[in-house]
Amino acid sequence: DSGVTQTPKHLITATGQRVTLRCSPRSGDLSVYWYQQSLDQGLQFLIQYYNGEERAKGNILERFSAQQFPDLHSELNLSSLELGDSALYFCASSVGQGFIDEQYFGPGTRLTVT
Amino acid sequence: DQQVKQNSPSLSVQEGRISILNCDYTNSMFDYFLWYKKYPAEGPTFLISISSIKDKNEDGRFTVFLNKSAKHLSLHIVPSQPGDSAVYFCAVTHPGSGTYKYIFGTGTRLKVLA
Repeated sequence: DSGVTQTPKHLITATGQRVTLRCSPRSGDLSVYWYQQSLDQGLQFLIQYYNGEERAKGNILERFSAQQFPDLHSELNLSSLELGDSALYFCASSVGQGFIDEQYFGPGTRLTVT
Repeated sequence: DQQVKQNSPSLSVQEGRISILNCDYTNSMFDYFLWYKKYPAEGPTFLISISSIKDKNEDGRFTVFLNKSAKHLSLHIVPSQPGDSAVYFCAVTHPGSGTYKYIFGTGTRLKVLA
């Protein structure tokens, strides 16, 4: 158990809909990272927050947005969903704000768009 | 354009023998490299890392080798154990770039045969 929790575990929704994925980092970790893993693909970095502020941005679509709240949990919002958005979404956390920090991953949320 | 490639999608090795997983990258500016292991239905877990100022780093049965001129890193597992059966991802980053993002490979599925 990494100490990072993600809810829900599974999500099935229709095209055009909007969903919110939630992540609670390990106690004491200030950074939260979001990743997308599509079928047979590596992990694609989406976005990082550090202590409530956006720290780095990767290949995140404009239809996607995220935020980190004062209690340090984070939410990833996916809107106008398309079939291609079906993937595993992982959240990770680390103590510091740099990518050389060891990241602890949650178990992921599997999103299926039908 | 894949900046990080793991050209072997799968690898089978007998228990007790050496497992060698390979990773190639394209950008010589990358200067920090990591390996993660992922079991089914779990998030990735950090395994070992190496900075570009080194060419080898060991942690128990796991050794990572870095060949900067060839832009190649490898993970050696000796001796391999059935519990090592998992998907292994390499990741690269350039902490000095300010963009602070990981780029992951697509993974190699290792199966250690008892």
